[in-house]
Amino acid sequence: QVQLQESGPGLVKPSQTLSLTCVVSGGSISSGDYYWTWIRQQPGKGLEWIGHMYYSGSTYYNPSLKTRVAISADRSKNQFSLNLSSVTAADTAMYYCVRDRSRLFDIWGQGTMVTVSS
Amino acid sequence: DIQMTQSPFSLSASVGDRVTITCRASQSIASYLSWYQQKPGKAPNLLIYAASSLQSGVPSRFSGSGSGTDFTLTITSLQPEDFATYYCQQTYSSPPRTFGGGTKVEIK
Repeated sequence: QVQLQESGPGLVKPSQTLSLTCVVSGGSISSGDYYWTWIRQQPGKGLEWIGHMYYSGSTYYNPSLKTRVAISADRSKNQFSLNLSSVTAADTAMYYCVRDRSRLFDIWGQGTMVTVSS
Repeated sequence: DIQMTQSPFSLSASVGDRVTITCRASQSIASYLSWYQQKPGKAPNLLIYAASSLQSGVPSRFSGSGSGTDFTLTITSLQPEDFATYYCQQTYSSPPRTFGGGTKVEIK
């Protein structure tokens, strides 16, 4: 079955760029009517949708983060990535990569914790 | 953007209790609502979609109802493994996909 696994640095300095990768196994990110999504959860808080990339490559971002976010894919490695620039302590969170099937978040990665601190 | 408001923020209940969580949308979303369960240290898990359809593998003690702006998640006969945080999410509009703030169900 399809599985998602996040990876990336657990510590990022303020003002730098947070970069995470999600490797997809058991299925191709280029096939099917799916949106490949990033969601985050600040400590003790709720879920925040960051953005997604359609299997065709088009993207859409949360307006609150739009100026700092980019989601891209490396189809040769069957993975997609998140870049979040100019980070602050407010970006400290658990980051999840998720498959969106017909607007349902049906498969989640285990999550990766990112702390923004000098 | 459509705003989702859940209540209560948290609740305490005992094993065997019936629990009800509500979710209100800032505008009509027909039946385009999902519910997720998140246990501590774990990723959320889809429970219910289309307001009342049970995801495969989810116990029948979970049920959802509602349409328009008001929705309910009900757990009949609460089990120990049901202590978790529950989130609603609207699937009606284009992105951003918005979640409610969550309801934490704790042991009484």
